[in-house]
Amino acid sequence: EVQLVESGGGLVQPGRSLKLSCAASGFTFSNYYMAWVRQAPKKGLEWVATISTSGSRTYYPDSVKGRFTISRDNAKSSLYLQMNSLKSEDTATYYCARVTTVLDYWGQGVMVTVSS
Amino acid sequence: EIVLTQSPTTMAASPGEKVTITCRASSSVSYMHWFQQKSGTSPKPWIYDTSKLASGVPDRFSGSGSGTSYSLTISSMEAEDAATYYCLQRSSYPWTFGGGTKLELK
Repeated sequence: EVQLVESGGGLVQPGRSLKLSCAASGFTFSNYYMAWVRQAPKKGLEWVATISTSGSRTYYPDSVKGRFTISRDNAKSSLYLQMNSLKSEDTATYYCARVTTVLDYWGQGVMVTVSS
Repeated sequence: EIVLTQSPTTMAASPGEKVTITCRASSSVSYMHWFQQKSGTSPKPWIYDTSKLASGVPDRFSGSGSGTSYSLTISSMEAEDAATYYCLQRSSYPWTFGGGTKLELK
């Protein structure tokens, strides 16, 4: 059974950093692109980052480019999102997702609150 | 950036009613994907590659479209279909989602 479990969320002050993790199981992690998607409270979905199977290629929207870094450790079947210079508008539930033709499996999400 | 505009933003349908949700793209995309999300849960893939139903999706759902105009249709509304639906394009970066359509049971 495919499982994606996010962790590392919490309350953080503006300008500070936070690193999210996503533990994958039930599939060969190294064979899949992976992505992060976020959802601000009561708002819609926003794509945050995508990473290739080896980690050599990464993609971001302008809203997080230069502040967020997606990475992976295929030996540990883990996906990460390093978030720096956090802003109040980064407050959201962050989901990791497996990328196939579509985003076919999602984690349960982890909440990040950026507030002083 | 390709902007996706969904309509309507909210709607209510009676059991048995036909429902159509539209997603319009600011530029042509190759495919459209749809997700269903119920309150407090993660989004679920619902329709992919414009018209293919994800695993477990009832066949009263269908997807169609091309270029800049796509739609999700429910042939006969059921209570369990009440949810928010999002379209997604990943034809080009940045991937973008539509703003969502909240479908309620009347």
